[in-house]
Amino acid sequence: NAGVTQTPKFQVLKTGQSMTLQCAQDMNHNSMYWYRQDPGMGLRLIYYSASEGTTDKGEVPNGYNVSRLNKREFSLRLESAAPSQTSVYFCASSRPVGGTYNEQFFGPGTRLTVL
Amino acid sequence: GQQVMQIPQYQHVQEGEDFTTYCNSSTTLSNIQWYKQRPGGHPVFLIQLVKSGEVKKQKRLTFQFGEAKKNSSLHITATQTTDVGTYFCAGAIYNFNKFYFGSGTKLNVKP
Repeated sequence: NAGVTQTPKFQVLKTGQSMTLQCAQDMNHNSMYWYRQDPGMGLRLIYYSASEGTTDKGEVPNGYNVSRLNKREFSLRLESAAPSQTSVYFCASSRPVGGTYNEQFFGPGTRLTVL
Repeated sequence: GQQVMQIPQYQHVQEGEDFTTYCNSSTTLSNIQWYKQRPGGHPVFLIQLVKSGEVKKQKRLTFQFGEAKKNSSLHITATQTTDVGTYFCAGAIYNFNKFYFGSGTKLNVKP
């Protein structure tokens, strides 16, 4: 039982390059999230998926796209990376929608630098 | 703009002193969660509060949710060096499943 896994752990991109951050969970959770964490800013929600087949924008969706490939996997894509997207990216998942108990389990994070 | 405000940004205490961090929202929250993040780590869930005026305790940690469901606090009694880290609140507005995180309070405990 690995919980939430993210790949890669570290990545350096040049401005304009594209990449996909991968996230998978093995807890049979319906809901999955992508956050970015910048110094002094806390975590900001980029996109979330309440259930398989649905995605919704969070606070800071511009410059990102997501795919909920199946119940386990939720990927985040940067089509044309910019220095402002340098950040630590966390994926999270939570227990089934409909319950009031929505503890979020976080992955270890991806540290992305855009030059 | 930021939906959930958290203060203070930093707190340095001597081991054994108490610590409190506060979260405020201009909008009524559905529920609020608290997380702890150790340096270099990922956020780890501590607790969730749902009811107006709710108070929950976990050993030396006391969590409160305001009567109007617009504010919350985390109080640690007699801090220990193992309490070092950043504490975040995360409030859900309208939707139990979509959370806005506060900017966090970084706690440093001197032995």
